[in-house]
Amino acid sequence: DAKTTQPNSMESNEEEPVHLPCNHSTISGTDYIHWYRQLPSQGPEYVIHGLTSNVNNRMASLAIAEDRKSSTLILHRATLRDAAVYYCILSTGANSKLTFGKGITLSVRP
Amino acid sequence: GAVVSQHPSWVICKSGTSVKIECRSLDFQATTMFWYRQFPKQSLMLMATSNEGSKATYEQGVEKDKFLINHASLTLSTLTVTSAHPEDSSFYICSAPTGNYSPLHFGNGTRLTVT
Repeated sequence: DAKTTQPNSMESNEEEPVHLPCNHSTISGTDYIHWYRQLPSQGPEYVIHGLTSNVNNRMASLAIAEDRKSSTLILHRATLRDAAVYYCILSTGANSKLTFGKGITLSVRP
Repeated sequence: GAVVSQHPSWVICKSGTSVKIECRSLDFQATTMFWYRQFPKQSLMLMATSNEGSKATYEQGVEKDKFLINHASLTLSTLTVTSAHPEDSSFYICSAPTGNYSPLHFGNGTRLTVT
């Protein structure tokens, strides 16, 4: 699987938007961009995924660069419950196998 | 939405004993399930891919005779840690896709402590 790079950590304030960046310069044409998050002592939770176009769902938005070499996960209004490790992962999706990197730890200040 | 249930959520066992962890897809059928392991302050590491009705596929460096995987039905996969040792203490997490190109749904993990 192609590799992604994310900052180690980010802090945000409650009720403010959060932009979590991800670089994937070696992405291939068939790679989907997936985002998962993991709260402490829990299994990961699916957030969003996309291929080329920006995507929105009830949890977040995914903005994908035109050259697809980077993407940004957008949480529109951070809450304390959004504090978690967020993983940006590339996968062809054929068998859904995911390889997790270190992710970015998001802290939310009240 | 799709739910993956994992049991037990935590277990403590003595060194040398075996422990079985169950992973169930509650409202969908899963021909494939994935088993991950996570050590404290580290990321998830894929251990093996469990295939219904056939042998599991193990990642490099994972001992198949130590981590026995059985996927006997479309809704249940089990991971047995045989002859557990303290270094096997970890957070074990299973996951399953609802379809070929669908997101993974994860269980809530099993915290194994070997004393």
